[in-house]
Amino acid sequence: KAGVTQTPRYLIKTRGQQVTLSCSPISGHRSVSWYQQTPGQGLQFLFEYFSETQRNKGNFPGRFSGRQFSNSRSEMNVSTLELGDSALYLCASSLGGTHSGNTIYFGEGSWLTVV
Amino acid sequence: GENVEQHPSTLSVQEGDSAVIKCTYSDSASNYFPWYKQELGKRPQLIIDIRSNVGEKKDQRIAVTLNKTAKHFSLHITETQPEDSAVYFCAASSFSNTGKLIFGQGTTLQVKP
Repeated sequence: KAGVTQTPRYLIKTRGQQVTLSCSPISGHRSVSWYQQTPGQGLQFLFEYFSETQRNKGNFPGRFSGRQFSNSRSEMNVSTLELGDSALYLCASSLGGTHSGNTIYFGEGSWLTVV
Repeated sequence: GENVEQHPSTLSVQEGDSAVIKCTYSDSASNYFPWYKQELGKRPQLIIDIRSNVGEKKDQRIAVTLNKTAKHFSLHITETQPEDSAVYFCAASSFSNTGKLIFGQGTTLQVKP
């Protein structure tokens, strides 16, 4: 069974640009969530999508957005990039049912550098 | 709000010793507590998890304990090996937010040969 796949793995963008990251969840998983990892702030939850609907949202500005497609693949977009957006962006997938403790699996991440 | 505190931030042990990492959560609705190991430049990998209806869970050299009354949970690694060196994260989620993990700040474990 293939794991969570993220593309691109590495990218460099200029301040003010926008970026789109892609995530393919594990087959059969309907929940996709996104996290930002930085040395200073650790792992922070961005948002979660389940059945094409945003189910949870973290405390990030509106420049961070996402969507999920009918095949559960997800994209996240960051507009008007700032230097502080440089981070590892991790996608995670799970079955997503509303019962105790969905096991969540992470992708390898997309390393974003903003210059 | 939701918060998970993790201690210590760094931990150095000799090979063969035990290591203990502790976490405290604030949201009383939390009912799922996974632990992830992250090696440098790699993805966080789930090593063990525990649900609120269980007080302790073991998997070979790794064990996790949960005290719901005190809102504490801990990771115990016995007979540590150099390959256990990594950053360990605790996390918590709740029944109403199963896809949202709140992470602790991480513990850098160094196992000296």
